[in-house]
Amino acid sequence: QSVLTQPPSVSGAPGQRVTISCTGSSSNIGAGYDVHWYQQLPGTAPKLLIYGNSNRPSGVPDRFSGSKSGTSASLAITGLQAEDEADYYCQSYDSSLSGLYVFGTGTKVTVL
Amino acid sequence: EVQLVESGGGLVQPGGSLRLSCAASGFTFSSYWMSWVRQAPGKGLEWVANIKQDGSEKYYVDSVKGRFTISRDNAKNSLYLQMNSLRAEDTAVYYCASERSGYISYWGQGTLVTVSS
Repeated sequence: QSVLTQPPSVSGAPGQRVTISCTGSSSNIGAGYDVHWYQQLPGTAPKLLIYGNSNRPSGVPDRFSGSKSGTSASLAITGLQAEDEADYYCQSYDSSLSGLYVFGTGTKVTVL
Repeated sequence: EVQLVESGGGLVQPGGSLRLSCAASGFTFSSYWMSWVRQAPGKGLEWVANIKQDGSEKYYVDSVKGRFTISRDNAKNSLYLQMNSLRAEDTAVYYCASERSGYISYWGQGTLVTVSS
């Protein structure tokens, strides 16, 4: 029952730029709540990638960037590399739902 | 180095109970909200519950209210999830996670819970 919608998959050749959208509503992203992004490599636990819409934790390459506008947010990966092949999830707070935090539906990034 | 190590997963019959534990180290456990997040096989992430630093506030996703209980023992740097009346749809990898300002800063490696007869 994710309320944050992401495209199921995106793909790109090495070196290219890809973007992943995260569409919410007036009770979450549109209400001004921050958006955060996680990367989940195959067979591993998720890892924080972007917090507070556009901030990178220490150790995350600057190839990853985040933005937010209105009821949506985006994650951009520039200079795509083979090791970026993973699932990516957005997350925010929702004021209307049965729980505090909501995750996006997830996007599989494939490096061609 | 922050470490979150879950244990207690396994196979349980529908209607049964299971208690998950999470041992935390490498940070001041008592200073942070903690969460449980789950991921059904081949599916996305779902936040399950969280608990305030002193245990005075707890929140749950609707689907587990009345069945799951989150708790913590700051003296033991440990987080727990008591799961009762388990259903097939509770089958998932359960991650212990530490929070910062509304996001998950660190994740454990997860423990698999399978509900099946």
